[in-house]
This record gives sequence, structure tokens and C-alpha cells, in this order.
Amino acid sequence: GDSVTQMEGPVTLSEEACLTINCTYTATGYPSLFWYVQYPGEGLQLLLKATKADDKGSNKGFEATYRKETTSFHLEKGSVQVSDSAVYFCALSGVNAGGTSYGKLTFGQGTILTVHP
Amino acid sequence: EAGVVQSPRYKIIEKKQPVAFWCNPISGHNTLYWYRQNLGQGPELLIRYENEEAVDDSQLPKDRFSAERLKGVDSTLKIQPAELGDSAVYLCASSLYQGLAGPNEQFFGPGTRLTVL
Repeated sequence: GDSVTQMEGPVTLSEEACLTINCTYTATGYPSLFWYVQYPGEGLQLLLKATKADDKGSNKGFEATYRKETTSFHLEKGSVQVSDSAVYFCALSGVNAGGTSYGKLTFGQGTILTVHP
Repeated sequence: EAGVVQSPRYKIIEKKQPVAFWCNPISGHNTLYWYRQNLGQGPELLIRYENEEAVDDSQLPKDRFSAERLKGVDSTLKIQPAELGDSAVYLCASSLYQGLAGPNEQFFGPGTRLTVL
């Protein structure tokens, strides 16, 4: 079945440091890939997405590129801020043999990011 | 625009007691999801509705869990009787299902944190 693996956490950085959170997946066909973020006390929010190979999703300075050859979707940001402290989830939406989306999201375990001033 | 509304936000019960969670999706969203998120893990789908029909309930423990979505709008998830292992955050999400057009953004509510003593 479909699965998503995120890098072990938590991750602690100083403000303005570079961020990379690794994400790899296992799925048949061509899934869509997502990064969701969960700020303290809030619900999950979509951060960015990519629906086909080589697509780059971007939002709020974060980027991730859909790499089918390495089945990866790593999240990157060049300069993190204290306000980026949150839990980040990589997720995929799989498709069946006919190419129809399953409609559900399969999530990784989440990576806690803490950014210090 | 109002987001996905869930209530209650927190619930503490003793084992063997019943409990119910309520979700009101974003207006116009025909697809509704219930996920369970265990501590330190990503959410896992319990059930997915398209309008009032449950189209994927393969992960719902049907011996103690039940759900309904009357009139294709609000939904209720029930556990009876609750067990210690049911302690988790229960998330509701909604989306406009696009079928073959591809997966869609799921909008999540803040969740209900259940503690079973």
C-alpha cells in the first residue's frame, strides 16, 4: 500500500538558517504530493502541493520538487523564521490503476521544527 | 469564509463510556473525511463520505465506531464503548471532490482531543 516516510525529528534551527525536511514515498502510479503544516493549537493547513513529476510547489518561501526518480518530495526553505515553528507533514494522494484518485491522504509521521531567535 | 468546525475541542471520558464528535464542513464541500491522529503520528483516514454516502470506511473499526452524515452536510463520529487505545485527536476535513480531475485540497478542522481514562 501507499506510504510516506519523513526524516527523524525534531529539528531545531536558529533564525535565518536553511531548512530541509526529507520526505520519501511509496505508491503506485502517479500520486499527488503535499506538505501540510500544523501550528501550535491550530488545525492542519496545506502549505504546498505538486501533482506531477518535476513540478515544484512553493508557498511562504517554502519549496518542494516532485522527484519521481528518487520518489522524494523534500521541503526546503532558505531562511527560516521563528514563526515557522510548527509540525510539518508530508502526504500523498494515491491513484488506482485507472488513474482515479483514492481521495484520501496518506501522511508521514510529522517533523517538529523549532526555530530559535 | 468559515472553516471546518468541530466540537467539542476536548473530551475526557472513562473507558467503556460512549462519546460523540461533531463536524460541520465548509459550505458547498461534498466530500467529508474523518481522520484519527495518534500522538507523534500523522493522521490516518477512518472514513470518507461523498455527499451522504460512505465511500471508504475500510479503516473504521466497525465493532465500536460508527459515523453518519445526514443530508450530506454535518457529520457525527461515535465510539461506543471507548477503550484506552482510542485516546487520540480526531480530525474532520472537507473538500470539493474533483474525481478524475485529480485530488483536491482538504481543509481540516482543529480536531477533538479525546482522552480515555
